[in-house]
Amino acid sequence: EIVLTQSPATLSLSPGERATLSCRASQSVSTYLAWYQQKPGQAPRLLIYDASKRTTGIPARFSGSGSGTDFTLTITSLEPEDFAVYYCQQRSNWLTFGGGTKVEIK
Amino acid sequence: QVQLVQSGAEVKKPGASVKVSCKASGYTFTNYYMHWVRQAPGQGLEWMGIINPSGGSTSYAQKFKDRVTMTKDASTSTVYMELRSLRSEDTAVYYCARDIAVAYYFDYWGQGTLVTVSS
Repeated sequence: EIVLTQSPATLSLSPGERATLSCRASQSVSTYLAWYQQKPGQAPRLLIYDASKRTTGIPARFSGSGSGTDFTLTITSLEPEDFAVYYCQQRSNWLTFGGGTKVEIK
Repeated sequence: QVQLVQSGAEVKKPGASVKVSCKASGYTFTNYYMHWVRQAPGQGLEWMGIINPSGGSTSYAQKFKDRVTMTKDASTSTVYMELRSLRSEDTAVYYCARDIAVAYYFDYWGQGTLVTVSS
């Protein structure tokens, strides 16, 4: 099973700041990686798939990069609605999720 | 618009079974695979398996393969997930999630169904 490790567990930032979230895979997943956003009491929302492709309707301030074992989700300027938990997910070998990064208001 | 509407919350005793439904609308049901993902309280996401609503073929995560069955009813555009031999660790919100065109990512999600296992 491919293990995805997300860091940091919690990111405390202010609106307008840049957020950089990391996801590291225990073995290469090529670019078969997605990012989801989840707010309390809601289902996750797909932001990015295939490492860097933004889903329809997702603002341009969200971007994904990486390949192999190291991936990054960047939010260039945090809006109030961006404070949430973010999960990465790989589909290279079965499907697994990372443990999540909580982006909280500082 | 695409909608996935799940059945309501359930409370079950250890050893029992639960069957959760997910009714799809707003798209051609048989054209998109459906997944089931669960989330224990305060925890992360866990993939359980996938069903092809066209032919009914399934693939289950190793952890669940002996206890889960996913089925479909194309006449009502509904998929089902049954989990047997429930234990307290199965307490979670269970989501159905549509596959984004056989890519094994999830573009639309149901609202979730809370299953509580308690004696």
